[in-house]
Amino acid sequence: AQTVTQSQPEMSVQEAETVTLSCTYDTSESDYYLFWYKQPPSRQMILVIRQEAYKQQNATENRFSVNFQKAAKSFSLKISDSQLGDAAMYFCAYRRMGSARQLTFGSGTQLTVLP
Amino acid sequence: DSGVTQTPKHLITATGQRVTLRCSPRSGDLSVYWYQQSLDQGLQFLIQYYNGEERAKGNILERFSAQQFPDLHSELNLSSLELGDSALYFCASSVGQTQETQYFGPGTRLLVL
Repeated sequence: AQTVTQSQPEMSVQEAETVTLSCTYDTSESDYYLFWYKQPPSRQMILVIRQEAYKQQNATENRFSVNFQKAAKSFSLKISDSQLGDAAMYFCAYRRMGSARQLTFGSGTQLTVLP
Repeated sequence: DSGVTQTPKHLITATGQRVTLRCSPRSGDLSVYWYQQSLDQGLQFLIQYYNGEERAKGNILERFSAQQFPDLHSELNLSSLELGDSALYFCASSVGQTQETQYFGPGTRLLVL
């Protein structure tokens, strides 16, 4: 079974600074997807960024980028120019290709942005 | 706004009762997924439906059941409720079975007293 590990329960960053959230996963599959979801205090789950395992290029969405290391099974999220609105719980998630396409989530990292 | 709607937003009930949570997927999405978020178990996948048929099951209790109707909305039925069923229940949808991104609804917060 696939597992996703987020070893940082809490992190903080100064406004306008850069922060990196870590995620590792375990799978025997070669093709899969990885995601970062954000859950602000409203509890809504918001997709931040996704990465296809077959793509070597790291995904980027505005101030959000990932460092995908397939051999190391590592998938970190970098947030540049942090804003107060980035404060949220961040979940890393894995989804295999194939018939079972549910998401497997990590335990989350609570990000605090300090003014 | 993801386009996925869930009702009700909040639900308070007593142990032993039965409740129904409703989800309407994004327009055009055929797949619906149900997830449970609790403090002790984190975010867990419960069940997936695609175009009316069950496609995958996760850690769903036998007291829980779901279905997807011809208009593609889905309902999650929780019966013989226990205190431990208190959680946030999310519905997510995607276009098909190969579309990789799931879009989440706002969730239904269930409190069992």
